[in-house]
Amino acid sequence: GENVEQHPSTLSVQEGDSAVIKCTYSDSASNYFPWYKQELGKRPQLIIDIRSNVGEKKDQRIAVTLNKTAKHFSLHITETQPEDSAVYFCAASVGDKSTFGDGTTLTVKP
Amino acid sequence: GAVVSQHPSWVICKSGTSVKIECRSLDFQATTMFWYRQFPKQSLMLMATSNEGSKATYEQGVEKDKFLINHASLTLSTLTVTSAHPEDSSFYICSASGRARGNEQFFGPGTRLTVL
Repeated sequence: GENVEQHPSTLSVQEGDSAVIKCTYSDSASNYFPWYKQELGKRPQLIIDIRSNVGEKKDQRIAVTLNKTAKHFSLHITETQPEDSAVYFCAASVGDKSTFGDGTTLTVKP
Repeated sequence: GAVVSQHPSWVICKSGTSVKIECRSLDFQATTMFWYRQFPKQSLMLMATSNEGSKATYEQGVEKDKFLINHASLTLSTLTVTSAHPEDSSFYICSASGRARGNEQFFGPGTRLTVL
């Protein structure tokens, strides 16, 4: 089955700096890669996604890049703010089934 | 985005009792619903996938007789934790996807189960 690895597990940055989270996947059939933000005790919220026919996607301060050949994809957050502090999960999907990474706890220090 | 509700949001029960958790898609038809379990500071672990009108597909290591899943309609799936024990205490989250929504999963708010 699919195996998704996510790094780092924790990330601390200063407000205004950039944050990068990386994921790798194993199943070349995966064609959809969402990123979720989860605050403590709340549901995961989709923040950005990318499909396998696209190499990069950007939405304001958030961007995602995908390298299908290397089977890795990354989340980039620029100009980080304290409210960006949360746990971020990547996922790789085949059809409608998603396999999640272990999560990255991002802390943005004011 | 689409709205998925989950009920109850929080439940405490005695060991040995059964607990039913409902997951509803409020504004779209969910052809597929997923049930996840999440331990503190850990990732979402898929327990089972259910398609409307058919039996759920359980992930390896998940006891289907203990975690009963029913997906009776395009808007409702239920998870029943039977004969709950303290080790079943966890955060249970459902998600739903529909053909009209592509691959995207919409998550419910989760149910925190505490078994005494």
